[in-house]
Amino acid sequence: AQTVTQSQPEMSVQEAETVTLSCTYDTSESDYYLFWYKQPPSRQMILVIRQEAYKQQNATENRFSVNFQKAAKSFSLKISDSQLGDAAMYFCAYRRYSGGYQKVTFGTGTKLQVIP
Amino acid sequence: GAGVSQSPSNKVTEKGKDVELRCDPISGHTALYWYRQRLGQGLEFLIYFQGNSAPDKSGLPSDRFSAERTGESVSTLTIQRTQQEDSAVYLCASSLGTSGRAYEQYFGPGTRLTVT
Repeated sequence: AQTVTQSQPEMSVQEAETVTLSCTYDTSESDYYLFWYKQPPSRQMILVIRQEAYKQQNATENRFSVNFQKAAKSFSLKISDSQLGDAAMYFCAYRRYSGGYQKVTFGTGTKLQVIP
Repeated sequence: GAGVSQSPSNKVTEKGKDVELRCDPISGHTALYWYRQRLGQGLEFLIYFQGNSAPDKSGLPSDRFSAERTGESVSTLTIQRTQQEDSAVYLCASSLGTSGRAYEQYFGPGTRLTVT
């Protein structure tokens, strides 16, 4: 079974600084997707960024980027120029690649605090 | 367009009572998912619908939990004889399909269930 581990229950960052959230996963598959979701206090989960395992290039979305190390099974999220609105729970998630339905496995989350 | 909506937003019930939680997916989304999120934890998968059939019920924790879906529309999650350990946020998500980029899940704001 796939597992996703987030070893940092809480992190803090000064506004405008950069922070990196860690995620590791365990799988025997070679093709899969990885995701970072953001859950603000409103509870609504929002997809921040996705990475296809077959792509060597790290995904980026504006101030958000990932460091995907397939051999190490590591998938960290870097947030640059942190803003107060970035304060939230961040969840790393895994989905096996398939032409049909596959379950998404979530980590336990990292709570990010942004200090003004 | 409208996102995924869930009702009620919050529900407090007495131990032993039955509760129904409702999810309205995004129009046109054929796939629907229910998750449970206990305090300080990640998301636990409960059930997946494709149309009105449920090919994957593997996450339902006990026979007190059931769910149904009307066509490709609203879904209800029912918990019978609620227990205190059922207290959690119940999140619903929908996706256009399950292949390619159509698998991306859009989440609702959740229902916070408190069993006293």
